Amino acid sequence: GAVVSQHPSWVICKSGTSVKIECRSLDFQATTMFWYRQFPKQSLMLMATSNEGSKATYEQGVEKDKFLINHASLTLSTLTVTSAHPEDSSFYICRAGLGEAGTEAFFGQGTRLTVV
Amino acid sequence: AQTVTQSQPEMSVQEAETVTLSCTYDTSESDYYLFWYKQPPSRQMILVIRQEAYKQQNATENRFSVNFQKAAKSFSLKISDSQLGDAAMYFCAYRTPSIEETSGSRLTFGEGTQLTVNP
Repeated sequence: GAVVSQHPSWVICKSGTSVKIECRSLDFQATTMFWYRQFPKQSLMLMATSNEGSKATYEQGVEKDKFLINHASLTLSTLTVTSAHPEDSSFYICRAGLGEAGTEAFFGQGTRLTVV
Repeated sequence: AQTVTQSQPEMSVQEAETVTLSCTYDTSESDYYLFWYKQPPSRQMILVIRQEAYKQQNATENRFSVNFQKAAKSFSLKISDSQLGDAAMYFCAYRTPSIEETSGSRLTFGEGTQLTVNP
């Protein structure tokens, strides 16, 4: 299957700093990228959807100024958590969508963010 | 809006036995896709099996099979000959076919079922 590489796999940062998470589709062009957040023992919550070259669409309740999403190319999307606080600590997962209907989505490995 | 419900937060099974995880969904669409994903302790999401709603035949992947009841909007996962490596969180997910790529690729997840396999 297609490979989606997410980096870093884990990161610890200080409160007030920003953290960037990268998601790359290694062997296909992902016209759509999805970013999820997952709290322990809970389901995945969609944060935003991004299309290459356009602004991301954020889900209700997700602060777009806090969670900056950039999808500059067909193989790379980034999520930047700005001015991180301890409550932003979570597991973040990207998912790359292929263009054709019926094709399964491919998840990155996820990033565990801890804000101290 | 589509919803997906997994009514079993936790399940356990003895090694080599069979277990069935339940999933129900609500939709007004006639054509859609259903998935089961596995999330082991590494937290990597792994696709276990998928089902196209227009197909009457239940999908099967080795020890994993589904019981898809379209009229009842039920999509259960059966794991046969359970192995220790099957222990994980299992998520049921729903997706519509894409007309517009963005909305069509959107997945709706259930709450998850934590499966424990006892040796």
